[in-house]
Amino acid sequence: AQTVTQSQPEMSVQEAETVTLSCTYDTSENNYYLFWYKQPPSRQMILVIRQEAYKQQNATENRFSVNFQKAAKSFSLKISDSQLGDTAMYFCAFMKHDLPGANSKLTFGKGITLSVRP
Amino acid sequence: DVKVTQSSRYLVKRTGEKVFLECVQDMDHENMFWYRQDPGLGLRLIYFSYDVKMKEKGDIPEGYSVSREKKERFSLILESASTNQTSMYLCASSLGSSRHEQYFGPGTRLTVT
Repeated sequence: AQTVTQSQPEMSVQEAETVTLSCTYDTSENNYYLFWYKQPPSRQMILVIRQEAYKQQNATENRFSVNFQKAAKSFSLKISDSQLGDTAMYFCAFMKHDLPGANSKLTFGKGITLSVRP
Repeated sequence: DVKVTQSSRYLVKRTGEKVFLECVQDMDHENMFWYRQDPGLGLRLIYFSYDVKMKEKGDIPEGYSVSREKKERFSLILESASTNQTSMYLCASSLGSSRHEQYFGPGTRLTVT
């Protein structure tokens, strides 16, 4: 069974600064996906970024990037130039790499609440 | 754009009532999921379905059942609601392919009194 750990329940950052959210996971699988999801207050959960474990290059999406360290089983999210709209709950999630049509279940961490201060 | 909709944003039910939560997706996704979200516990998978009429238990299926009669619709049923089922319920869907990204609905906040 896989586990995902987000040890920091809350963080705060000044607008325009950079913040890093931590995530570690435990698995015996070699092929898998890792995700960061964002849930703004009273709004829908959306995907921020995705990383395939077989790719050594860290994923980047505009101001969002990850630091993926497979050996350490660590997957942190860096948000650059933080904006007020980044205020949200962020969830780290893990999925085994299965064949198409197989049961693609996500395992989530407990989440971290990020507040961006003006 | 993928759209996942849930029948209610807020719902208040009494203990012992039968409760139906409906979820509809419009992107022909094979997989659909029901989670509950509680403070400090993150999201926990209740049930999921990878095809019409197919279902599998997730991590916390007790007290719940599901129905998927059509590909686009996935229902979560609380046969006899209890106060410990007060929670936020999130539906999600995904393609049955290597993309595996899940798209979420807006959630239903259920209160059982």
